Amino acid sequence: EIVLTQSPGTLSLSPGERATLSCRASRSIGSDYLAWYQQKPGQAPRLLIYGASTRATGIPDRFSGSGSGTDFTLTISRLEPEDFAVYYCQQYGSSLMYTFGQGTRVEIK
Amino acid sequence: QVQLQESGPGLVKPSETLSLTCSVSGDSNNYYWTWIRQPPGKGLEWIAWISYSGATKYNPYLESRVTIALEMSKNQFSLEVTSVTAADTAVYYCARLPSPVVTRGSWGYFDYWGQGTLATVSS
Repeated sequence: EIVLTQSPGTLSLSPGERATLSCRASRSIGSDYLAWYQQKPGQAPRLLIYGASTRATGIPDRFSGSGSGTDFTLTISRLEPEDFAVYYCQQYGSSLMYTFGQGTRVEIK
Repeated sequence: QVQLQESGPGLVKPSETLSLTCSVSGDSNNYYWTWIRQPPGKGLEWIAWISYSGATKYNPYLESRVTIALEMSKNQFSLEVTSVTAADTAVYYCARLPSPVVTRGSWGYFDYWGQGTLATVSS
């Protein structure tokens, strides 16, 4: 099983600031077998990024993903009020099972 | 526009079977279908997927107790979880998984989700 560790657990920032979220895998998942999701309270997760760096349909370009191997990053260039939420990474590089990170909460400072 | 809608009993007694259904509308050709759950206040756990041809894959930690099935004539797929305990209490989401035919490359992410249904295991 590939374990994903997200950091930090909570990120306290102000609107307009840049957010950098990390996702580290316990072993290599290749160059593009990683996705990022956003979840707001009481809502289902929403796909933001797949293939480590490809934005999903309708996702604003302030969201960007990068990384490969074991280290991946989600960057929100300038936080909008609607971006304060929990973010999860998910790997699909292992054929045995898919796993998610424990989440990073982005909260208003 | 793809829409998924979960339905289920809400409350299940310990040791019984939890049965959930997901109704799908919109583009369903060449997609796989999956279930994911989230215990209250916790993270996400993938449960299983089923392909348009009926192939299945399960989370090995849950495989002995879960069954995913497809009824595409009804535009539905389902999940059964047997011998439930309090640890199975969660919001259960159904989601769409683009197949290799669709992605033409790496696949295994979930692009559309239902709103989720809470299943509580309690006597």
